[in-house]
Amino acid sequence: DGGITQSPKYLFRKEGQNVTLSCEQNLNHDAMYWYRQDPGQGLRLIYYSQIVNDFQKGDIAEGYSVSREKKESFPLTVTSAQKNPTAFYLCASSLDGSRANYGYTFGSGTRLTVV
Amino acid sequence: DQQVKQNSPSLSVQEGRISILNCDYTNSMFDYFLWYKKYPAEGPTFLISISSIKDKNEDGRFTVFLNKSAKHLSLHIVPSQPGDSAVYFCAASAVDSSYKLIFGSGTRLLVRP
Repeated sequence: DGGITQSPKYLFRKEGQNVTLSCEQNLNHDAMYWYRQDPGQGLRLIYYSQIVNDFQKGDIAEGYSVSREKKESFPLTVTSAQKNPTAFYLCASSLDGSRANYGYTFGSGTRLTVV
Repeated sequence: DQQVKQNSPSLSVQEGRISILNCDYTNSMFDYFLWYKKYPAEGPTFLISISSIKDKNEDGRFTVFLNKSAKHLSLHIVPSQPGDSAVYFCAASAVDSSYKLIFGSGTRLLVRP
């Protein structure tokens, strides 16, 4: 079955540490995205990538970094510079990055908690 | 500056009745709208969409209505079922940045048996 796999499901991080969230898809989708969900707020775009080896900042990219070395993989690193990293992180993909109208396919998310 | 707003954080309806979830937007460049459904600890799943050239799209029990002049869309679920209990997100994309979906804050729907 095709889909998006995010790991781990739960992640605890100490203040000052960097952590990397994994996102892998086998849908052969060109575009991939990272969103963050906070209570009472919509999903906010962190980074997106329309093709391999290319990615762009979203609305809240500060304190985050990504890479897109393979079509299937789009890992997100939450750095110590991110002031409020505790949130639910969602990875998504779409067939064609030039038009998201076909709808995203989402992973099941990673809940990151800073302790 | 929320471009997509879902002003009702929660909604409770009786099984078998109609559920109406509302969404307002401010950006006149939005030309495509989508609804997603999300269960706890899972990613959202695509439910239904509508292009700005239409004012209604139907898929089984789900119908989305778009009122462009009011910048308002709504999702109707008829009849509502307990399995519909979830958080519903409205999302929009603009013609000049179509890669990107802007999401509302979600409405939690509870369908009571």
